[in-house]
Amino acid sequence: DQQVKQNSPSLSVQEGRISILNCDYTNSMFDYFLWYKKYPAEGPTFLISISSIKDKNEDGRFTVFLNKSAKHLSLHIVPSQPGDSAVYFCAAWSGGSNYKLTFGKGTLLTVNP
Amino acid sequence: KAGVTQTPRYLIKTRGQQVTLSCSPISGHRSVSWYQQTPGQGLQFLFEYFSETQRNKGNFPGRFSGRQFSNSRSEMNVSTLELGDSALYLCASSSWGTGANVLTFGAGSRLTVL
Repeated sequence: DQQVKQNSPSLSVQEGRISILNCDYTNSMFDYFLWYKKYPAEGPTFLISISSIKDKNEDGRFTVFLNKSAKHLSLHIVPSQPGDSAVYFCAAWSGGSNYKLTFGKGTLLTVNP
Repeated sequence: KAGVTQTPRYLIKTRGQQVTLSCSPISGHRSVSWYQQTPGQGLQFLFEYFSETQRNKGNFPGRFSGRQFSNSRSEMNVSTLELGDSALYLCASSSWGTGANVLTFGAGSRLTVL
């Protein structure tokens, strides 16, 4: 049972345009969400997060939006740069004594110059 | 501040062998988690250790085991390797204090089983 879903395996955008990566979840106990970026041959690096008590969090070119009623979050990158080309993972935490992040399968973003 | 260090970075084994991977967390982090990444499957949670105690375990067979030492360094072991165990094994550390935590990942150990 996949509790965090990233339905788009890949996304291609032009440099300077907006990249929108989507993530859906099924577990209503999730209350904290994170996005990680991963380059080949490297480990994932933390990008941005959002608590379930918020609907938006912004950090520079990166903004994450959370729609709790739809169990949907999205990551917006504006403007997109070629260096943003990577695999992006959505992850969720259900709090309590769970001690684990549940990850989606990732979306490969390619930003074309 | 040194990051999460995983060794070895690459290794090749044959079916039936066993393998041990090592992880040194960020200084001061007492929680170490392990994840398996395979193509198209994202990151699958293996287990999490805190102060030498396993607090959570994912849905992997008993061939996958781990431990944590008093200095917070961790090892994971896979016995009787199968072809399907070929994957990138990622270790992450965290302080896991109150509230949500960010995991900091190492570069991973790429295991190939022939």
